Amino acid sequence: DSGVTQTPKHLITATGQRVTLRCSPRSGDLSVYWYQQSLDQGLQFLIQYYNGEERAKGNILERFSAQQFPDLHSELNLSSLELGDSALYFCASSARAYNSPLHFGNGTRLTVT
Amino acid sequence: AQTVTQSQPEMSVQEAETVTLSCTYDTSENNYYLFWYKQPPSRQMILVIRQEAYKQQNATENRFSVNFQKAAKSFSLKISDSQLGDTAMYFCAFMGSGSGYALNFGKGTSLLVTP
Repeated sequence: DSGVTQTPKHLITATGQRVTLRCSPRSGDLSVYWYQQSLDQGLQFLIQYYNGEERAKGNILERFSAQQFPDLHSELNLSSLELGDSALYFCASSARAYNSPLHFGNGTRLTVT
Repeated sequence: AQTVTQSQPEMSVQEAETVTLSCTYDTSENNYYLFWYKQPPSRQMILVIRQEAYKQQNATENRFSVNFQKAAKSFSLKISDSQLGDTAMYFCAFMGSGSGYALNFGKGTSLLVTP
């Protein structure tokens, strides 16, 4: 058990809808990362937060947004969903903003129909 | 941007044998970190081993060890005494300042351990 909690485990929704994925980092970790894993694109970095502030941005679509709250949990919001957004979404946390290993949650499997 | 290349999409090894997974990367940075993650069929991402670029000594974690060749930008993973539970997808990953210290992953190598 990595100590990173992601909810829900599975999510099935229709195109055009909006969903929110939730992540609680390991106790003491200040940094949260979001990754998307799809068959054709592999593991893609979306965004990183450190202690409530956005720190780095990857290949995140404008339809997607995220935030980290004062209690350090994070949410990833996906809107105007398309079939191609179906993927496994991972949250990871680390102790520092850089130079520390990432510990991953079990992921949220999103299926857009 | 840093590129991580895993040239072996699939590999197979017999139980108790040794297997080496290849990884190369491209960067102009001098200080960075390299990782191997394992993703079994359960889909969980598990940290296997890490290597700091400034350390010349190769990292070792029980049956897992790396061969880090900084000049060649190569970071291979050796699994000794392979076990059935080692069956998984293995991802090589790079962390450096150029990517904001987010992990940049390769495409992965699917390893099958057979009895």
